[in-house]
Amino acid sequence: SYELTQPLSVSVALGQTARITCGGNNIGSKNVHWYQQKPGQAPVLVIYRDSNRPSGIPERFSGSNSGNTATLTISRAQAGDEADYYCQVWDSSTAVFGGGTKLTVL
Amino acid sequence: EVQLLESGGGLVQPGGSLRLSCAASGFTFSSYAMSWVRQAPGKGLEWVSAISGSGGSTYYADSVKGRFTISRDNSKNTLYLQMNSLRAEDTAVYYCAKAEMGAVAGDDAFDIWGQGTMVTVSS
Repeated sequence: SYELTQPLSVSVALGQTARITCGGNNIGSKNVHWYQQKPGQAPVLVIYRDSNRPSGIPERFSGSNSGNTATLTISRAQAGDEADYYCQVWDSSTAVFGGGTKLTVL
Repeated sequence: EVQLLESGGGLVQPGGSLRLSCAASGFTFSSYAMSWVRQAPGKGLEWVSAISGSGGSTYYADSVKGRFTISRDNSKNTLYLQMNSLRAEDTAVYYCAKAEMGAVAGDDAFDIWGQGTMVTVSS
């Protein structure tokens, strides 16, 4: 079965750029989606199909995908960006989530 | 406003059954595939099952195949998850989620999520 690997945690200073990676075999050939989840809340889609932002998501959120790694980039990080982030793809009619990355804004 | 509202969670004994519902509003329900995603306490997201817009195609995670059944009633704008032979490891918050683009399950993001309903399997 297809596996996605994310770092358990990423820290970023307030106002700096955070990068969260999602590794998978030839993930560049798949559409990658990213979700933000704050404690006690449902996940929210922040990036779909590698690099597209849903309406209402700040331009500070961007995504890229190539080779074996997809990356979620959060520019000018704010305290409100502190959350868990999950990447997700489809493989053989099965949705697969990464294990999640806890983003801490220092 | 596009909205999903889950119900039906609760406490059930191991080996028992439960049916979850997800009421949809604010969009043409039959035009979109739907999924169930769960999250065990303190753990990450796990996809459970998906169904096409027409209901003609269904997909399951190996962990629930043969025990859970996904279905939908497009006349009632409602998604269901029938859960049988429940195990302690099925304890989780269950979310329903809407496919971002269309009726065929298989590549879309989940653009709308419900608030979740808690299922606890314990004696």
